[in-house]
Amino acid sequence: QKEVEQNSGPLSVPEGAIASLNCTYSDRGSQSFFWYRQYSGKSPELIMFIYSNGDKEDGRFTAQLNKASQYVSLLIRDSQPSDSATYLCAVNEPSGGYQKVTFGTGTKLQVIP
Amino acid sequence: DVKVTQSSRYLVKRTGEKVFLECVQDMDHENMFWYRQDPGLGLRLIYFSYDVKMKEKGDIPEGYSVSREKKERFSLILESASTNQTSMYLCASRPGGMRETQYFGPGTRLLVL
Repeated sequence: QKEVEQNSGPLSVPEGAIASLNCTYSDRGSQSFFWYRQYSGKSPELIMFIYSNGDKEDGRFTAQLNKASQYVSLLIRDSQPSDSATYLCAVNEPSGGYQKVTFGTGTKLQVIP
Repeated sequence: DVKVTQSSRYLVKRTGEKVFLECVQDMDHENMFWYRQDPGLGLRLIYFSYDVKMKEKGDIPEGYSVSREKKERFSLILESASTNQTSMYLCASRPGGMRETQYFGPGTRLLVL
């Protein structure tokens, strides 16, 4: 069973701090990686994607990918109360000729004002 | 903007009823997906479709069927609803290509009594 693992949290950080969210995956064939944010009662929305080893920055968000160690992380700088949500890691992997997306169970982030 | 719509936001059904959940996307995406989301279990794939009239089982297809007669529409059918199918149901669509992300609909919260 191919897996995507995340710590469920909650991860609590003070406003203005850096929040660090981590995700590990089991399939070495995985090629693309996504971070979604999901507010309570809402559907997931994409915030970052990364394909290559290293860092990718977009505003206050940085995604980091290390394929050798099979982990992907999301850093949120200057955390705001509006960042409080569940963050889902998703991994795109080839599966029997198709592309299958496997989601982690999510990490709940709480930003304390 | 990609738009994925689902037929209902909230639905209450009785055990044994046949339930239809409909999903429509307006971006000519090849791939469409049905997930259910439960606390602590994350997003679990029920069925997906990569083309009209094509369907593939996901991780938890038991008790469900799907239909894709037109490219823009993907229906999830609960043949005989049971209380353990009470859940949030999320539809998603995605273009072809390994690096493409999924776009989610708003979700249908189904309660089976």
